Amino acid sequence: NAGVTQTPKFQVLKTGQSMTLQCAQDMNHEYMSWYRQDPGMGLRLIHYSVGAGITDQGEVPNGYNVSRSTTEDFPLRLLLAAPSQTSVYFCASSQGVTGELFFGEGSRLTVL
Amino acid sequence: AQSVTQLDSQVPVFEEAPVELRCNYSSSVSVYLFWYVQYPNQGLQLLLKYLSGSTLVKGINGFEAEFNKSQTSFHLRKPSVHISDTAEYFCAVSVLRGGSEKLVFGKGTKLTVNP
Repeated sequence: NAGVTQTPKFQVLKTGQSMTLQCAQDMNHEYMSWYRQDPGMGLRLIHYSVGAGITDQGEVPNGYNVSRSTTEDFPLRLLLAAPSQTSVYFCASSQGVTGELFFGEGSRLTVL
Repeated sequence: AQSVTQLDSQVPVFEEAPVELRCNYSSSVSVYLFWYVQYPNQGLQLLLKYLSGSTLVKGINGFEAEFNKSQTSFHLRKPSVHISDTAEYFCAVSVLRGGSEKLVFGKGTKLTVNP
């Protein structure tokens, strides 16, 4: 009963490096999303997807890229890491936007 | 424009006291409203949601919220809090933009329950 699985849980990058945060869900959910959480800022939506092959930008999409080739997977790519991208990242999925969002455990990223 | 506003960043209360966490939303968004809770070092979990019907919504752990369309509010309440309710609470709304809906969160309210 995995739910939403995010990897890695912790990552340290140097400025300019790139990396991919992986997210997989086994609940056959159509809606998937990525948020970043920063102190005092709440959760801000980065990108989201309403189904395989469909993605859209959220509130803070710059510097991030996503794709949705399957229903299960929704990876988040950091293209050129910057210190401003130091944050905790959460992947979430739901049956639809009105359904309960199920969250992964989070990925703590530090960019030096 | 901010879709959802949580008016208090921190709320300290004593154990067994009542609490209200305030949330206001933009009238331009769809009226699908949610409250989520995040315990320390954990992900978020759903407390309750309003989609339609009765304006008083009951959730888990004794929490409830009232949808007030005229005041564009969705405040969260509990009549008597416990130490274990110490957590961060997030109000969220669905936003319809560009033909698709997405879920947007407020900045959160840290509830601290003191003995």
